[in-house]
Amino acid sequence: AQTVTQSQPEMSVQEAETVTLSCTYDTSENNYYLFWYKQPPSRQMILVIRQEAYKQQNATENRFSVNFQKAAKSFSLKISDSQLGDTAMYFCAFMKIQGAQKLVFGQGTRLTINP
Amino acid sequence: EAGVTQFPSHSVIEKGQTVTLRCDPISGHDNLYWYRRVMGKEIKFLLHFVKESKQDESGMPNNRFLAERTGGTYSTLKVQPAELEDSGVYFCASSQFGLAGVRETQYFGPGTRLLVL
Repeated sequence: AQTVTQSQPEMSVQEAETVTLSCTYDTSENNYYLFWYKQPPSRQMILVIRQEAYKQQNATENRFSVNFQKAAKSFSLKISDSQLGDTAMYFCAFMKIQGAQKLVFGQGTRLTINP
Repeated sequence: EAGVTQFPSHSVIEKGQTVTLRCDPISGHDNLYWYRRVMGKEIKFLLHFVKESKQDESGMPNNRFLAERTGGTYSTLKVQPAELEDSGVYFCASSQFGLAGVRETQYFGPGTRLLVL
């Protein structure tokens, strides 16, 4: 079974700083997807970024980028030039390519951006 | 385009009562998923529909939970009778049909907060 671990329950940084959220996972699969989802206080969870394991290039979306280390089974999220609107719960998630299409989530990291 | 919607947003019931949660997926999305987050713990998968068929219900905790998706459109999740440990946030998600070996992004609804007293 796959597991996802987010070791930072809470983080807090100042606006405009860069912050990195950690995520590690355990799987015997060779091909899979990894995701970061964000849930702001308004509760709608939205996709931040996704990474296919077979792609060596790290995914980026504007100020959001990942550091995907397949051998180490690590998938951290970097937020550059953080903004107040980045305040949210961040969930790391894993999905197999073959078989069950369910997302396996980590425990979440509560990120607060302070003015 | 409307996103995934869920109703109600909150529900407070007493132990032993019945509650029905509803999810309307994004139009055209064949895949519909239910997840649950119990307070302080990770979000866990409950089940997956492809159109009106249950593709995977391995995460359903017990037979007090019944999910349906009549006509392959909206879905309901009924808890009967509710127990204290059923309290949590119930999320619904939907995704487009994906080709073999491709996993389409799951789009989530706002969730239903269920409190069983």
